[in-house]
Amino acid sequence: DIQMTQSPSTLSASVGDSVTISCRASQSITRWLAWYQQKPGKAPRLLIFKASTLEGGVPPRFSGRGSGRDFTLTISSLQPDDSATYYCLPYNSHSELTFGGGTKVEIK
Amino acid sequence: QLQLKESGPGLVKPSETLSLTCNVSGDSISKNSYYWGWIRQPPGQGLEWIGSIYYLGSTYYNPSLRSRATVSIDASRNQFSLTLTSMSASDTAVYFCMRRPGVDVVSHWGPGILVIVSS
Repeated sequence: DIQMTQSPSTLSASVGDSVTISCRASQSITRWLAWYQQKPGKAPRLLIFKASTLEGGVPPRFSGRGSGRDFTLTISSLQPDDSATYYCLPYNSHSELTFGGGTKVEIK
Repeated sequence: QLQLKESGPGLVKPSETLSLTCNVSGDSISKNSYYWGWIRQPPGQGLEWIGSIYYLGSTYYNPSLRSRATVSIDASRNQFSLTLTSMSASDTAVYFCMRRPGVDVVSHWGPGILVIVSS
């Protein structure tokens, strides 16, 4: 089973700041990693797949990098609407899904 | 456009069995290579995959829930279901149904249904 370690668990930043969230897999997942954004009371929304490919309609201030075991999600020029919890998800297996623990992004 | 919608009881008593259904509209549940499944989220906590079913019927479960969870498909009604036995307070969560288009991202989610376990 793949385990995902996501950090930090919470972060607080100001509008306009750049923030980075990390996920480390317990084994290589090549580039089969997705990032989701979840707002309270809503289902998660897909932001990025294949580690760095932006889903349609996602603002370009979101970007993803990484391969193998280490991945990052960066939000450049943080906006008030970016206040949410972000999750990473490896998707290289048909028989399991294991989300990262989540990162809550708060706007100061 | 694919839409998923969960239905079922919002309140379950401890030790009882939970039965949830996900109604699929806008596409056929029997379509080639799709996986359908369930993810839950306890209040204030993260996302936990429960289990999935391939369109041909193979099932896969989170090891921590395998003994209690069953996911099944009803192609005639274009829906799939989750049963979870021996419910306890720790099973209180929002339950989401979802679709994966193959070994791929979770591309579609239902809006979620809150299930509370309480006597």
